[in-house]
Amino acid sequence: QIQLVQSGAEVKRPGASVKVSCKASGYAFTGHYMHWVRQAPGQGLEWMGVIHPTGERTMYEEKFQGRVTLTTDPSASTMYMELSSLRSEDTAVYYCARDVSDSSSSWWFDSWGQGTLVTVSS
Amino acid sequence: SSELTQDPAVSVALGQTVRITCQGDSLRNFYASWYQQRSGQAPILVIYAKNNRPSGIPDRFSGSNSGNTASLTITGAQAEDEADYYCNSRGSSGWHWVFGGGTKLTVL
Repeated sequence: QIQLVQSGAEVKRPGASVKVSCKASGYAFTGHYMHWVRQAPGQGLEWMGVIHPTGERTMYEEKFQGRVTLTTDPSASTMYMELSSLRSEDTAVYYCARDVSDSSSSWWFDSWGQGTLVTVSS
Repeated sequence: SSELTQDPAVSVALGQTVRITCQGDSLRNFYASWYQQRSGQAPILVIYAKNNRPSGIPDRFSGSNSGNTASLTITGAQAEDEADYYCNSRGSSGWHWVFGGGTKLTVL
């Protein structure tokens, strides 16, 4: 079955960077884009960006441009999300989610990682 | 503010029908998908494309689309349906995705 397993919780100081991993299994890794979504405590879901499995294409939400970097290691079936210049407002659970599409008008996220809590605190 | 607008909270009596709506211009061009998130858990997909349910999602969940509005309907709500529900679609520019603000469903 499809599994997305994320790395463990992190505690970071303001100004630092964090890198979260998402290891995929149970499907052809190069067949699906991967999205990253975050959720601050008590808040809704927020889309951050998406990456082609080979890394040849990325798209980022404008508010994260310049601070977020999505990368991939196809040899390890693993994708990464790195967020830099952390501030307290970046405290959130970060999720990876697998993209599926059946046309030019329909996309969805059919499998999600378990989430990684990133806490930014001095 | 989100490009997709949802009511923050909705309630339904056990066994009754509830509709959760999602409005946004991008829905004129792109289908919405719907996610259920129970407290402390990762979201799960409940409706995708025009009106499709992943394996394991009960048939009391259905979706519909009209103009700039997508709807998630639960026919015969159960206690276990109490959760937050989020819609998602590509954004109006087509180069990003966006979630609605979420609707907290309470089953009375």
